[in-house]
Amino acid sequence: KQEVTQIPAALSVPEGENLVLNCSFTDSAIYNLQWFRQDPGKGLTSLLLIQSSQREQTSGRLNASLDKSSGRSTLYIAASQPGDSATYLCAVNGQNFVFGPGTRLSVLP
Amino acid sequence: DAGVTQSPTHLIKTRGQQVTLRCSPKSGHDTVSWYQQALGQGPQFIFQYYEEEERQRGNFPDRFSGHQFPNYSSELNVNALLLGDSALYLCASSLPGAPRGAFFGQGTRLTVV
Repeated sequence: KQEVTQIPAALSVPEGENLVLNCSFTDSAIYNLQWFRQDPGKGLTSLLLIQSSQREQTSGRLNASLDKSSGRSTLYIAASQPGDSATYLCAVNGQNFVFGPGTRLSVLP
Repeated sequence: DAGVTQSPTHLIKTRGQQVTLRCSPKSGHDTVSWYQQALGQGPQFIFQYYEEEERQRGNFPDRFSGHQFPNYSSELNVNALLLGDSALYLCASSLPGAPRGAFFGQGTRLTVV
């Protein structure tokens, strides 16, 4: 059974810092991994999708890496801004999407 | 493209009642999945529909059932509501195997009182 964990559970940083969010999964038999952002009470916004054959994807200030053999992915956010404050979820896609519990990020002005 | 749309956005029901939630997938997507997200937790997979059939199911009781229509839209039905069913219900649409990922709607907030 696939299990996904995320570290840290919560993070509070001053504006401008670079930060790394971590995601670990137990079963490497995945099609892809997707990072999402969720604002309070809202749905999920897709940030980055990494196929199982890829090592990383970049979009603006976001960079996500995938090491399938070790069951790890990281989301790197450069030059954080208050508008980045949200919960970040990683999800691995095998038979279906299995989500981690999320990292709650607060970027202080 | 309207993306994934869900209705209603909020709903309050009484314990023991039944509820139906609706989802229209992103244009071109034929696979619909439903997730339950309790407060402070990640979404949990309920089931997935493709070609009007339930293809996969998570660890949810039979009180949770669904349907997919020929236009790929979908419904989630929950019978005999419990207080613990209070959650955000998310619908996701994709192509089979989700090669380009999944797209999520804004969810339906269900409160059972």
